[in-house]
Amino acid sequence: EAGVVQSPRYKIIEKKQPVAFWCNPISGHNTLYWYLQNLGQGPELLIRYENEEAVDDSQLPKDRFSAERLKGVDSTLKIQPAELGDSAVYLCASSLGTRETQYFGPGTRLLVL
Amino acid sequence: AQSVTQPDIHITVSEGASLELRCNYSYGATPYLFWYVQSPGQGLQLLLKYFSGDTLVQGIKGFEAEFKRSQSSFNLRKPSVHWSDAAEYFCAVRKTGANNLFFGTGTRLTVIP
Repeated sequence: EAGVVQSPRYKIIEKKQPVAFWCNPISGHNTLYWYLQNLGQGPELLIRYENEEAVDDSQLPKDRFSAERLKGVDSTLKIQPAELGDSAVYLCASSLGTRETQYFGPGTRLLVL
Repeated sequence: AQSVTQPDIHITVSEGASLELRCNYSYGATPYLFWYVQSPGQGLQLLLKYFSGDTLVQGIKGFEAEFKRSQSSFNLRKPSVHWSDAAEYFCAVRKTGANNLFFGTGTRLTVIP
């Protein structure tokens, strides 16, 4: 069974540029999560989807971050414009249901110059 | 608010030696408890979890963890460490009846020959 797929794995951009991350969850997993992991820290939830509905986006900085999960499968996380402080690893995870075990992708490492 | 504390930022052990990684949580009731491992450039992999019942939980790769309610702790142990265990280890909690995981800051494990 394929795991959670994320792309790109690495991204380097200049500040003020837009950037997008893509996530393909495990087949059949209804719940999808985006996490932010700063250097030396644990992951912090940005947004959680139940199918195509964003049920918890309280930690998503909505002035510059946006996310979508069309058709309740793949998801895209966007930052526009990127700031230096956005340099981090962005992790995607999925689970069968809200309280089931979360499976993580390898993450996208973003560097903003 | 609930919190997770991993007091050891970095631990170094010799291959073959025993290992214990500490995790303490702050929450009024017993939460669901998890240990994840993150190898360089990889996503997080679930080692084990505790929901209820036997307070000694067995996981993958020879790891175990013990829940101690009186100490609000969920320490991870392994009797004999292998070089491949070198990684970052994260303790996480989920409040009973809630949906989101809260992670500690992680403990980096170095294994020396």
